[in-house]
Amino acid sequence: DGGITQSPKYLFRKEGQNVTLSCEQNLNHDAMYWYRQDPGQGLRLIYYSQIVNDFQKGDIAEGYSVSREKKESFPLTVTSAQKNPTAFYLCASRGGLNTGELFFGEGSRLTVL
Amino acid sequence: GENVEQHPSTLSVQEGDSAVIKCTYSDSASNYFPWYKQELGKGPQLIIDIRSNVGEKKDQRIAVTLNKTAKHFSLHITETQPEDSAVYFCAASREAGTALIFGKGTTLSVSS
Repeated sequence: DGGITQSPKYLFRKEGQNVTLSCEQNLNHDAMYWYRQDPGQGLRLIYYSQIVNDFQKGDIAEGYSVSREKKESFPLTVTSAQKNPTAFYLCASRGGLNTGELFFGEGSRLTVL
Repeated sequence: GENVEQHPSTLSVQEGDSAVIKCTYSDSASNYFPWYKQELGKGPQLIIDIRSNVGEKKDQRIAVTLNKTAKHFSLHITETQPEDSAVYFCAASREAGTALIFGKGTTLSVSS
């Protein structure tokens, strides 16, 4: 089935460690996005990529990094510089410039111990 | 940049009643306004969207209205059912293909 796969679903990390969240899509979509969801804060944009080998910062990019080496993959690294990393992370993709719908994965919940 | 405000943050209705969620946006150049539904433990899913050249759009029990002059848009759910219980997000962007800016969400509870 076509869709977006995020892994792991749950992740625990010690303070000071970097962690990478995986996002893979087989929808042949050009654009991919990472959002962070906190209770009462909605979805806030971290990074997005409109095409392979190109990406832009969103509203809360500090402490995060991404890469887009393949069309299907858009991994997010939460670095030790992110001061409050515990959150629910959502990856999404979109088919084209005139296609509005975002398709979301089921999310990854990161907890810093 | 764009800022989207969403109200109310929580909404409780009886089964069969109507529910209305309202959003305002700040960027007058925004012209694409989708609504997403998020069930517990899942990613959001698009339920309806509207573009600025349309004032209203309906799909069965849900409808969205847009007032570009006032920069606000609303989601209307009629004949609510328990399975409508979820978190609803509005969003806005300048074009359908650009990054969406989301509101903070409304938790809708429908009791039977």
